[in-house]
Amino acid sequence: AQSVTQLGSHVSVSEGALVLLRCNYSSSVPPYLFWYVQYPNQGLQLLLKYTSAATLVKGINGFEAEFKKSETSFHLTKPSAHMSDAAEYFCAVSKETSGSRLTFGEGTQLTVNP
Amino acid sequence: KAGVTQTPRYLIKTRGQQVTLSCSPISGHRSVSWYQQTPGQGLQFLFEYFSETQRNKGNFPGRFSGRQFSNSRSEMNVSTLELGDSALYLCASSPRTDAFYGYTFGSGTRLTVV
Repeated sequence: AQSVTQLGSHVSVSEGALVLLRCNYSSSVPPYLFWYVQYPNQGLQLLLKYTSAATLVKGINGFEAEFKKSETSFHLTKPSAHMSDAAEYFCAVSKETSGSRLTFGEGTQLTVNP
Repeated sequence: KAGVTQTPRYLIKTRGQQVTLSCSPISGHRSVSWYQQTPGQGLQFLFEYFSETQRNKGNFPGRFSGRQFSNSRSEMNVSTLELGDSALYLCASSPRTDAFYGYTFGSGTRLTVV
C-alpha cells in the first residue's frame, strides 16, 4: 500500500527565512504527488502537483517542490517565508492505477515568527 | 468560476441520529470524492463517485454511504451517529477519475456529534 511520511509535525521559521517541508512517499510505481495547504476552518487548497512531467514543480504563492525518484521524496520549499504562509501543509500521493484516491501525510503545521 | 460548495458548514447532531451532507462540484467536474478529517486519524478517503457510480471506497463502516445525482451533485449520509463521527467532512471534485488534474476541495462541513 502506498503511504506518505511528512517529517516534522511542526516547523517554525522566521519571516524571510527558507521554508522546507519534507515529504517521502512509498510507491512501487511513479505516483502523482501533491501539496495542499489548509488554513484554519477552511478546506484544502492545492499548492502544486507532480504528474510525471518536469521534476521541479512550481506552484502558487512562491512555493515549489522537486520530485526525486532516487530518494522517493517530494519536499516543498519557499525561499522567503511570509507571515501569511502560517498554515498546515499536507503532502498527498495517488497512483494512476488506483484511480482517484489520495493518501495524505499527517500534515506539518508551519509557524512563521516575526 | 464557482468553487466546490458544501452545505451546511456546521452541524450538531445527537448520537443515534442520521445526517446528510451535500456537495456541489465545480461546473463540468464529474468526479466527486469525500474525505473525513479528524485530529487523531488525519485525512481519510471515504468514497468517490463518477457519473452517478461509486468507483472507489475507503475503509469505513456501512453506516457511511453516498450517492451522486445526474447533475454531479453528491450527498453523503451517516446513519446511527457515534461520537467518533465528529469530524470535518471534505468534498473534492475533479474533471476525471484519476488524480492527474488534482482535486479542488470545498470548505467542508464540520459535524459535531453530542
